[in-house]
Amino acid sequence: DQQVKQNSPSLSVQEGRISILNCDYTNSMFDYFLWYKKYPAEGPTFLISISSIKDKNEDGRFTVFLNKSAKHLSLHIVPSQPGDSAVYFCAAANNAGNMLTFGGGTRLMVKP
Amino acid sequence: NAGVMQNPRHLVRRRGQEARLRCSPVKGHSHVYWYRQLPEEGLKFMVYLQKENIIDESGMPKERFSAEFPKEGPSILRIQQVVRGDSAAYFCASSPRGLDGYTFGSGTRLTVV
Repeated sequence: DQQVKQNSPSLSVQEGRISILNCDYTNSMFDYFLWYKKYPAEGPTFLISISSIKDKNEDGRFTVFLNKSAKHLSLHIVPSQPGDSAVYFCAAANNAGNMLTFGGGTRLMVKP
Repeated sequence: NAGVMQNPRHLVRRRGQEARLRCSPVKGHSHVYWYRQLPEEGLKFMVYLQKENIIDESGMPKERFSAEFPKEGPSILRIQQVVRGDSAAYFCASSPRGLDGYTFGSGTRLTVV
């Protein structure tokens, strides 16, 4: 039973355009959400997070949107750069616990 | 400041052997977590430890797998009698408390031949 799903395994975007990565979850107990970026042969690197009391969090080129009623979140990267090419994982947590539940990842390719 | 250090980076074991994966958390972090990533999948939680205590092992297979985080030294994930299905990347993470500062290591890639 996948509690966190990233339905697009890959996404290709032109440099300078917006990248939108999507994530859906089923467990209504999740109240904290994170996005990680992962290069091959490296560990996940934290990008940005959002608490369920907010619907938007922004950090530079990265913005995360949360729609609690739809149990959906998205990561927007604008403008996209070739160095953003990586696998992006959405993760969710219950703030009372320390365990992260990850989606399957979306491979983003930003073409120069 | 060193991040989470995992070793070895790559480990090859024959079926039936034991695998020992080590994780040194960020200095000052007392919470350690192990995750496993199978090919083409996301990371899956295995176990959460604090010094000398297992807090949550709900993601650990019931047999052959064990984990410890002793008072001194790194956390160890031990897999006995490895099988081909254990081939995966194993990631360790640490945090000072809760989800703040949750930092991952570069992983150990285990290959069972």
